[in-house]
Amino acid sequence: GENVEQHPSTLSVQEGDSAVIKCTYSDSASNYFPWYKQELGKRPQLIIDIRSNVGEKKDQRIAVTLNKTAKHFSLHITETQPEDSAVYFCAATPPTGGGNKLTFGTGTQLKVEL
Amino acid sequence: NAGVMQNPRHLVRRRGQEARLRCSPMKGHSHVYWYRQLPEEGLKFMVYLQKENIIDESGMPKERFSAEFPKEGPSILRIQQVVRGDSAAYFCASSPPGWVYGYTFGSGTRLTVV
Repeated sequence: GENVEQHPSTLSVQEGDSAVIKCTYSDSASNYFPWYKQELGKRPQLIIDIRSNVGEKKDQRIAVTLNKTAKHFSLHITETQPEDSAVYFCAATPPTGGGNKLTFGTGTQLKVEL
Repeated sequence: NAGVMQNPRHLVRRRGQEARLRCSPMKGHSHVYWYRQLPEEGLKFMVYLQKENIIDESGMPKERFSAEFPKEGPSILRIQQVVRGDSAAYFCASSPPGWVYGYTFGSGTRLTVV
């Protein structure tokens, strides 16, 4: 089955700096890669996603890049703000007969310091 | 349009008791996914169901765990004879048939076994 590795496990940046979180996946058939943000005690929330036919996607301060050859994808957050502090999870899913079964990375605790 | 509803939000059980977790999908959604999040870990897929049918239960522990999604009513995740290692947050999500994008999680049920 799919295996997703995520780095770093913790990341501390100064407010206004950029943050980059990287993930690798094992199943070359995986074709959908979402990113979730989880604040303490709350549900994971989808913040951005990318399909395998696209190399990059951007939404305001957040961008995701995908390198299918190397089987890795990254989350980029620019101009970080204190409210960006949370745990971020990457995930991957291979094509199936219906529905999405997500395999998650182990998470990155992002701390944005004033 | 209400989102995915889970109850209870918090559940405390003594070792050996049964835990029943409920998930009501979004209106019009006929597919439900259950994930488990152990403390300070990522989410792990457990089971994927459609009404009256289990599609994929590859992530379910072999014993004590079962899931159902009846024709009427919420999806139920049942854990029999709970042990301390079952303490975790259990999240469910729902989707329409054939959904190939990310999904929205419910608020989760936090199970504590004492």
